Amino acid sequence: NAGVTQTPKFRVLKTGQSMTLLCAQDMNHEYMYWYRQDPGMGLRLIHYSVGEGTTAKGEVPDGYNVSRLKKQNFLLGLESAAPSQTSVYFCASMGPVLYNEQFFGPGTRLTVL
Amino acid sequence: KQEVTQIPAALSVPEGENLVLNCSFTDSAIYNLQWFRQDPGKGLTSLLLIQSSQREQTSGRLNASLDKSSGRSTLYIAASQPGDSATYLCAVGVGYGQNFVFGPGTRLSVLP
Repeated sequence: NAGVTQTPKFRVLKTGQSMTLLCAQDMNHEYMYWYRQDPGMGLRLIHYSVGEGTTAKGEVPDGYNVSRLKKQNFLLGLESAAPSQTSVYFCASMGPVLYNEQFFGPGTRLTVL
Repeated sequence: KQEVTQIPAALSVPEGENLVLNCSFTDSAIYNLQWFRQDPGKGLTSLLLIQSSQREQTSGRLNASLDKSSGRSTLYIAASQPGDSATYLCAVGVGYGQNFVFGPGTRLSVLP
């Protein structure tokens, strides 16, 4: 059981470049989440999904897109990266039962120059 | 809008002390509350999950309490050890999709 994994672990982009972050979970969880963590700002929800084929906006969705084509994967895309998107990105998943707990991946450290 | 605060922002204690970390939230309509630990440069590790109908949860030297009506939770760490040094985050489960709103964290240092 790998739990929640994230690819890549580190990435440096130039302004305007695009990239996709991949989150995978092997726990058959329905709910998946993308957060960003910035110093002094804590963790903020970008997008989330309540099941395969569904996505919804969180607190800070601008500049990001997501897709959940397969239950086990949740992709976060940056179409045109900006320096303000320099952050650590965490993916999390949670099972279908109400009152369940979130499990987090190890994070992706992204720098946009 | 749900807001979560944590006091203190940082705490330094000698090894062996019992300590309490505080978490406050503004809206009592929560599904649950979860405490996490985060080591520098690492992801979040779940410590305790308290359902909205529960008053407390215990795991080893950790005990978390929840008072929904007053919008407060405490994390009690008994007999602290240097290995407990980390940032502790609380998060409340809210709304559709059971999203979590996180507090800013308490940075704990336990000195040998």
